[in-house]
Amino acid sequence: AQSVTQPDIHITVSEGASLELRCNYSYGATPYLFWYVQSPGQGLQLLLKYFSGDTLVQGIKGFEAEFKRSQSSFNLRKPSVHWSDAAEYFCAVSAGGGNKLTFGTGTQLKVEL
Amino acid sequence: DAGVTQSPTHLIKTRGQQVTLRCSPISGHKSVSWYQQVLGQGPQFIFQYYEKEERGRGNFPDRFSARQFPNYSSELNVNALLLGDSALYLCASSIDSNQPQHFGDGTRLSIL
Repeated sequence: AQSVTQPDIHITVSEGASLELRCNYSYGATPYLFWYVQSPGQGLQLLLKYFSGDTLVQGIKGFEAEFKRSQSSFNLRKPSVHWSDAAEYFCAVSAGGGNKLTFGTGTQLKVEL
Repeated sequence: DAGVTQSPTHLIKTRGQQVTLRCSPISGHKSVSWYQQVLGQGPQFIFQYYEKEERGRGNFPDRFSARQFPNYSSELNVNALLLGDSALYLCASSIDSNQPQHFGDGTRLSIL
């Protein structure tokens, strides 16, 4: 069965600083990988996805993620964080397509002004 | 265009009761999935329906059931509610099973 590990429960960065959120997955074949963001009291918004092809994927709001098969990782990055990026971020994996997602436990991002 | 809509937004029930949660997918989306998100955790997959047929079921007891209607809307039913069923229930839709899902804002269910 697939699984996702997000090692960092909380991360605090200063506005304007760079950001990297870690995600490691466990899955036997080529996974479908996702990053979602959740603001308080709201549902999840898709930031970006990896299905195949270029291992560096661009998403919305200036986010990008890199798929590294050798490290079973799919880390999320942003070069300059804005205060509005404060939210909870979830990495997810699927055995096929975009459904039946397995999520990590999330990383809570706090942005200091 | 309207996103995924869920109703009600909040619900309070007592142990042993039954509850029905509703979801309307984005227009044109034929796949609907349900997830349970307990406070402090990531969402857990409960069910997926596509073209009115169950396409997947997560590790949840038989007290949980769902269905999808001809207009692709969906209901999640939970019987014999337990305190541990308190959670945010999220509905997500996609055009088909191979496309990324779009989530609604969820129904917050509290069990007293």
